[in-house]
Amino acid sequence: QLQLQESGPGLVKPSETLSLTCTVSGGSISSNSYYWGWIRQPPGKGLEWIGSIYYSGSTYYNPSLKSRVTISVDTSKNKFSLKLSSVTAADTAVYYCARGLTLSSGYNWFDPWGQGTLVTVSS
Amino acid sequence: DIQMTQSPSSLSASVGDRVTITCRASQSISRYLNWYQQKPGKAPKLLIYAASSLQGGVPSRFSGSGSGTDFTLTISSLQPEDFATYYCQQSYSTPLSFGQGTKLEIK
Repeated sequence: QLQLQESGPGLVKPSETLSLTCTVSGGSISSNSYYWGWIRQPPGKGLEWIGSIYYSGSTYYNPSLKSRVTISVDTSKNKFSLKLSSVTAADTAVYYCARGLTLSSGYNWFDPWGQGTLVTVSS
Repeated sequence: DIQMTQSPSSLSASVGDRVTITCRASQSISRYLNWYQQKPGKAPKLLIYAASSLQGGVPSRFSGSGSGTDFTLTISSLQPEDFATYYCQQSYSTPLSFGQGTKLEIK
């Protein structure tokens, strides 16, 4: 059964770069049937898609964050990563990684999700 | 960008009730609509994909319908474990987007 686990610092200072890694176990990250995404949720609020990366290396980012976001994949380690630069308190959130599945029809969704990790931006 | 609007934002219901949550897209998204359930302190869990397909292991009391701009999630007979927050998500185009959530509470 595929599992995802986020890891990284729980506290980041304003203006610094948030770096998180998602380790995938129970399956390979190298499949063109899947993509890999990051989603965040500020405390008490809703879900915001940050971006996704495909096996081909193609990336798609939320325009609201695009200038600050980089998502990459390390197939040798079965991991993918998120970097968010110049963080502010507004970036405080639970960050989730998730696998995206795409059918030949184009329908796609996120499943499963990691358990999430809270990142607080504060000095 | 496609905006997703859920209604209601919160809902009180009793065990055994039939409940319907609505999700409206700001433009047509065909059937590129997914539903997730989130319990406090937990990650979202996929319930329904492609508007009406039930994810494996999800109880059959959950169902989804709709196409174009209007979608519904129905729980036919509420169980105690169903009290949670529900989110719709469009996967028609990037940026992917979620509804604001519907919190289902016990009456």
